Amino acid sequence: EDQVTQSPEALRLQEGESSSLNCSYTVSGLRGLFWYRQDPGKGPEFLFTLYSAGEEKEKERLKATLTKKESFLHITAPKPEDSATYLCAVQARETSGSRLTFGEGTQLTVNP
Amino acid sequence: DVKVTQSSRYLVKRTGEKVFLECVQDMDHENMFWYRQDPGLGLRLIYFSYDVKMKEKGDIPEGYSVSREKKERFSLILESASTNQTSMYLCASTYRELHEQYFGPGTRLTVT
Repeated sequence: EDQVTQSPEALRLQEGESSSLNCSYTVSGLRGLFWYRQDPGKGPEFLFTLYSAGEEKEKERLKATLTKKESFLHITAPKPEDSATYLCAVQARETSGSRLTFGEGTQLTVNP
Repeated sequence: DVKVTQSSRYLVKRTGEKVFLECVQDMDHENMFWYRQDPGLGLRLIYFSYDVKMKEKGDIPEGYSVSREKKERFSLILESASTNQTSMYLCASTYRELHEQYFGPGTRLTVT
């Protein structure tokens, strides 16, 4: 059974204080790992897809990295508008269709 | 931009009612999904569809059914609503494997 565990559950940062969110996964064979951002009361918004260990992707203050067992979402000099819940999901080679298994998310709060 | 729309943002129904939630996507995506999202449980897959009239059970299909008569539209049906189906329901679509899923804004369903 595919499993995704995100840590910490919640993180409070001061504006400008860089940090990382962790996503550990257990999957039979990884097809892809996805990061999403979700604002309260809204649907998740796609951020990145990573396909193989060693891969990195960046978007503004966010950088996602991937190893064989986990992924990190690094947030550099965050701003209050980065406050959201960040979700990680995996797609396994052996699952049918393009279904994803999600972690429970990390709720990030950035204080001004 | 991909757009996924859901028929209602908020819905209040009584126990035992039959409930229809509709989702429409405008990007000719093959795959569509229904999730529910609850605090502490994350996003859980109810059903998905990989083609018109084709469907597959997700992790929590009990008490739900789905219909996909047209490629752009995917409906979730609660045959007899119960209070434990009070939740946020999210629809998503994607072109195929390895592509990101795009989410709708969600329907907050309350069953009283």
